[in-house]
Amino acid sequence: EAGVAQSPRYKIIEKRQSVAFWCNPISGHATLYWYQQILGQGPKLLIQFQNNGVVDDSQLPKDRFSAERLKGVDSTLKIQPAKLEDSAVYLCASSLNEGASYNSPLHFGNGTRLTVT
Amino acid sequence: AQRVTQPEKLLSVFKGAPVELKCNYSYSGSPELFWYVQYSRQRLQLLLRHISRESIKGFTADLNKGETSFHLKKPFAQEEDSAMYYCALRYSGAGSYQLTFGKGTKLSVIP
Repeated sequence: EAGVAQSPRYKIIEKRQSVAFWCNPISGHATLYWYQQILGQGPKLLIQFQNNGVVDDSQLPKDRFSAERLKGVDSTLKIQPAKLEDSAVYLCASSLNEGASYNSPLHFGNGTRLTVT
Repeated sequence: AQRVTQPEKLLSVFKGAPVELKCNYSYSGSPELFWYVQYSRQRLQLLLRHISRESIKGFTADLNKGETSFHLKKPFAQEEDSAMYYCALRYSGAGSYQLTFGKGTKLSVIP
């Protein structure tokens, strides 16, 4: 089974620039998650999709972050404009069903490491 | 509010020594807990889940509701156990279930 694919692996931008990340989940997985992992911290959920609908985006800084999952498969996460504190690894994950249950664990991608200078 | 606490950022043990990675949680509902692991240059992956009461790679974890803990244990550490370990809590919020992670513990097994 192919895993969760993310691109790019690394991105360096200047503050106030914009950036976009792409994620392709495991085939057939209905739920897709974007997590932000700042150095030294655990992953923090930004947004959760169920098919192409948003289930939870309560921790997404909506003034600068946006995400979409058109057609319920691939997803993009955008930051515009970026700030220094956005430097982090952005992880995409997917699960077969909703809610990361014991029989539907999260499968993570390799992440995109963003550096904002 | 739900929270996961991993008090140790770094844990170093000698090969063959017992390992215990601590995890405490705070949650008013019925908890479901997991351990995820990230080996060097690999992606974050599920190690084990409390509901299965399983032993994976020699690791076990027991949910103690009285102490609100879910410590990860292994009787004899191996070098290949060196990795980042994250404890995670599944909770109900915003009309769905989410997973919140602790800050992680880096386990270093000394040969």
